[in-house]
Amino acid sequence: GAVVSQHPSRVICKSGTSVKIECRSLDFQATTMFWYRQFPKQSLMLMATSNEGSKATYEQGVEKDKFLINHASLTLSTLTVTSAHPEDSSFYICSARATSGGFYSYNEQFFGPGTRLTVL
Amino acid sequence: GIQVEQSPPDLILQEGANSTLRCNFSDSVNNLQWFHQNPWGQLINLFYIPSGTKQNGRLSATTVATERYSLLYISSSQTTDSGVYFCAVGNSGNTPLVFGKGTRLSVIA
Repeated sequence: GAVVSQHPSRVICKSGTSVKIECRSLDFQATTMFWYRQFPKQSLMLMATSNEGSKATYEQGVEKDKFLINHASLTLSTLTVTSAHPEDSSFYICSARATSGGFYSYNEQFFGPGTRLTVL
Repeated sequence: GIQVEQSPPDLILQEGANSTLRCNFSDSVNNLQWFHQNPWGQLINLFYIPSGTKQNGRLSATTVATERYSLLYISSSQTTDSGVYFCAVGNSGNTPLVFGKGTRLSVIA
């Protein structure tokens, strides 16, 4: 299947600092990427939809000024957690949607390995 | 929005046993995917199956779109099959997936 990478895989930071997480589609172009977060023993919850060249669309209850999303190219989206606090500690996962063409089913989504954020 | 329900929430199997996981959804969809989340959190794509039947080794899946459900079959289960299985659906080309709460599978030797 398609490969989506995330960096870093794990980060520990002090309260008040900002953390940037990168999501890359390695072998296909993705005009749309999605950011999810997952708390322990729970399902994935959508945070925002990242569109290349335009502003992200945030889900209700997600602060856009706290979770900054930039989708600057067809293979890279970044999520920046600004002024992180302990309640932001979570597992953040990105996904990218395969567009038409290539070896993948149209509309199939592929997920990165996730980034585990711990805010002290 | 669309609702996704998975059953059972938890399942314990003896190695070698077969199992069926179910996913019900509340609206028509044009994307349905099954994932296995491994202990490190990685979501592994199992099937992209908005309709029809597919098989891959010991796993197979069937989606009956008109009746709004999908089934994931695991045969001859192995301990490495343990983890959480998620069903996720989407109802248009550019929308994100909505996830069910998952089925936590434990296969014991």
